[in-house]
Amino acid sequence: DTAVSQTPKYLVTQMGNDKSIKCEQNLGHDTMYWYKQDSKKFLKIMFSYNNKELIINETVPNRFSPKSPDKAHLNLHINSLELGDSAVYFCASSQENLGQRNTEAFFGQGTRLTVV
Amino acid sequence: KNEVEQSPQNLTAQEGEFITINCSYSVGISALHWLQQHPGGGIVSLFMLSSGKKKHGRLIATINIQEKHSSLHITASHPRDSAVYICAGLFIFGNEKLTFGTGTRLTIIP
Repeated sequence: DTAVSQTPKYLVTQMGNDKSIKCEQNLGHDTMYWYKQDSKKFLKIMFSYNNKELIINETVPNRFSPKSPDKAHLNLHINSLELGDSAVYFCASSQENLGQRNTEAFFGQGTRLTVV
Repeated sequence: KNEVEQSPQNLTAQEGEFITINCSYSVGISALHWLQQHPGGGIVSLFMLSSGKKKHGRLIATINIQEKHSSLHITASHPRDSAVYICAGLFIFGNEKLTFGTGTRLTIIP
């Protein structure tokens, strides 16, 4: 069973389109995250949700909107896609906020988004 | 400023060699994570440390809080260990966000 699963794995789309990436975790975790990995493989957090509530919202364009219908799901919707949005997006989850001791993060397999 | 630095950036070794990857961080952290990113792109959490040493199979992770330094060791390295290894610090004043290093690309040659 995949603990944290993202769909799709690959997404190629044209500039200006709106797209969504879905994430689901079956670990019963309370906290979920979205990370962006750029072309230099550098990972950076975008959003964090705890029990469906937004905890962390980094300096991310308003075109990016996370949606958490329940604590097992955190989807990422992107409006008006731009070339610079091309990256690999990782979803992750943890039992508690990472600030709590002994809390590990579990990552999805990533979604490679290519905007053409 | 919360910063995490790794060295080396790239490491190539022969199968069987003992591997060490280093991670230094700028100010106090509450925990440090070691992650492995497979050639296919997937990320796996290897260790989460706040003090001392942890071991899992051929992997050993240590952290020295005073020196603000952590190391990841691989004993009897194998080609399947080839991956990018990333350390990430959870900074005490970082609002519970992980700050990632740039990664070390390890290649083990048979």
